[in-house]
Amino acid sequence: RKEVEQDPGPFNVPEGATVAFNCTYSNSASQSFFWYRQDCRKEPKLLMSVYSSGNEDGRFTAQLNRASQYISLLIRDSKLSDSATYLCVVNRTPNNDMRFGAGTRLTVKP
Amino acid sequence: EAQVTQNPRYLITVTGKKLTVTCSQNMNHEYMSWYRQDPGLGLRQIYYSMNVEVTDKGDVPEGYKVSRKEKRNFPLILESPSPNQTSLYFCASSLSWTSGGGSYNEQFFGPGTRLTVL
Repeated sequence: RKEVEQDPGPFNVPEGATVAFNCTYSNSASQSFFWYRQDCRKEPKLLMSVYSSGNEDGRFTAQLNRASQYISLLIRDSKLSDSATYLCVVNRTPNNDMRFGAGTRLTVKP
Repeated sequence: EAQVTQNPRYLITVTGKKLTVTCSQNMNHEYMSWYRQDPGLGLRQIYYSMNVEVTDKGDVPEGYKVSRKEKRNFPLILESPSPNQTSLYFCASSLSWTSGGGSYNEQFFGPGTRLTVL
């Protein structure tokens, strides 16, 4: 079983839709959680960190459930520019030992 | 501009011909890492380095070597490349600190090196 699992998608949604991605992790020692965005043939870039209390950044909301070892990302009012692959990442400090999910691909269509 | 650079960006080589992919960061980060990305497998860590002269194996270190003689540079060496090392490689760096039980360690990635071994 992979340490970080994501639904690979693809998710094809119309502009303006709300879409949610889920991620589960198996290692309870995980300390930090992130969502990264990766455009086609480009490097991953940090989208947002995920905090225990949940956090929001504009149209993006991240949630963490430590008991269930589950992370989610909600995108509201999808834009064409949101089309990308979204990577769930968990980190076991203090070694900065990051584990990446395989990614969920999103395509937003006009 | 704060960045991680990799060279070359694209490389086609033949089995057994030693090669080095360079990685350099200008952010004074302690931590650096190499990943490979393959379809359906996501990013897998090859080697990482917590600081100068400190390196350790990641998940898939076989067939690779690294060195960290200076803080800014972390080259990846393939002594005898094989076709199963054909992949997209990313170098990354981050600060490495913890505080009050929390930590911050956003990783900044280089633009990637697409390697094909024939």
